[in-house]
Amino acid sequence: QVQLVESGGGVVQPGGSLRLSCAASGFTFGNYGMHWVRQAPGKGLEWVAFIRHDGSIKYYGDSVKGRFTISRDNSKNTLYLQMNSLRAEDTAVYYCAKDRLSSRGSYYFDYWGQGALVTVSS
Amino acid sequence: QPVLTQPPSSSASPGESARLTCTLPSDINVGSHNIYWYQQKPGSPPRYLLYYYSDSDKGQGSGVPSRFSGSKDASANTGILLISGLQSEDEADYYCMIWPGNVWVFGGGTKLTVL
Repeated sequence: QVQLVESGGGVVQPGGSLRLSCAASGFTFGNYGMHWVRQAPGKGLEWVAFIRHDGSIKYYGDSVKGRFTISRDNSKNTLYLQMNSLRAEDTAVYYCAKDRLSSRGSYYFDYWGQGALVTVSS
Repeated sequence: QPVLTQPPSSSASPGESARLTCTLPSDINVGSHNIYWYQQKPGSPPRYLLYYYSDSDKGQGSGVPSRFSGSKDASANTGILLISGLQSEDEADYYCMIWPGNVWVFGGGTKLTVL
């Protein structure tokens, strides 16, 4: 079965950096795009970033563009999110999610990890 | 980035039906997009429920009961999640989502209470 396990969360000061990892299993990781989606405490879902199956294409949400970098290592079945210049408003649970092609060329998330909490606070 | 509008809360009694809406901004035509729906219970990640484009183009998530279904109201530019035969376990937050291309956009979520 598909498993996505995030790690690397923690407390960081404003302006600091953190790198999240997502270990994938139960599917051929290198065949699928992957995402990061976050959820601030008590708030809704916000898509953060996407990376194509081969790493050749990356998209970012406006709120993290220029500060966050998504990457992957298909030999290790692992997805990463490098977060720099962190702000208080980046405090959230960060989920990795597997991409899936739907009808009419549309894409969605079919499996999610349990999430990693990132707290940005002094 | 576009914003999808969902009512913050909704409630219904066990056995009844719940109709949750997701209104797209006026510059995005609901008729041109798959509407995806997710369910999230406290302390758990979101779970994919289904997508709806049309009656002939729709899909159910793995293990999702047929009590959950989708539709659209084109006149209101709205996607709809219908949950029939409500059960206490359906109490959760529900999020809609679209893919306008190169970005993924969620609604703010609706908290469904089963009275």
